[in-house]
Amino acid sequence: NAGVTQTPKFQVLKTGQSMTLQCAQDMNHEYMSWYRQDPGMGLRLIHYSVGAGITDQGEVPNGYNVSRSTTEDFPLRLLSAAPSQTSVYFCASSYSFLSTGGEKLFFGSGTQLSVL
Amino acid sequence: GIQVEQSPPDLILQEGANSTLRCNFSDSVNNLQWFHQNPWGQLINLFYIPSGTKQNGRLSATTVATERYSLLYISSSQTTDSGVYFCAVSGNTPLVFGKGTRLSVIA
Repeated sequence: NAGVTQTPKFQVLKTGQSMTLQCAQDMNHEYMSWYRQDPGMGLRLIHYSVGAGITDQGEVPNGYNVSRSTTEDFPLRLLSAAPSQTSVYFCASSYSFLSTGGEKLFFGSGTQLSVL
Repeated sequence: GIQVEQSPPDLILQEGANSTLRCNFSDSVNNLQWFHQNPWGQLINLFYIPSGTKQNGRLSATTVATERYSLLYISSSQTTDSGVYFCAVSGNTPLVFGKGTRLSVIA
């Protein structure tokens, strides 16, 4: 199993450009999420999905769009990149949103994004 | 929403020393997980522990849900234990992360 796969690993954008960060998992997880990590801020939730066709906003959703057309894929779109979106982005997945059965959250390897 | 505070923010240890990292949270939770982010940025899940005690090798964790805290113990620390340790909690919402404890183990 590949687990959670994120692409690209590094990306440099100019202000105003758009791009999509890809995330795919092969563990048949229902729950998928996107976090951003900034120095001294921990990980903050951007958007999440509890299943195909269902998405919801997290703590810092502005400037980002998501969709979940399949169980496996959960892309994150930056509509018009801004320097404030310079960050490391992590995709994560788990069997269950509530983890009532003890399901752990698994992370991808991250995407380092710089917006100039 | 739930607030998560981790302490200490930074910790420097000599190889072989023991350490305790603390996670306090502001509300009742049914999900608590500990993660290690290695120096290359990879996030590894260490424990799922909303209550009770678990051990995995030199690492163990205890959560006292009624008092709203969790502890991560690292014994006989090694340089490979360096990195940032995150606690994450939730009630019926997605996991909320603390700001982490940065651990540096010196040989």
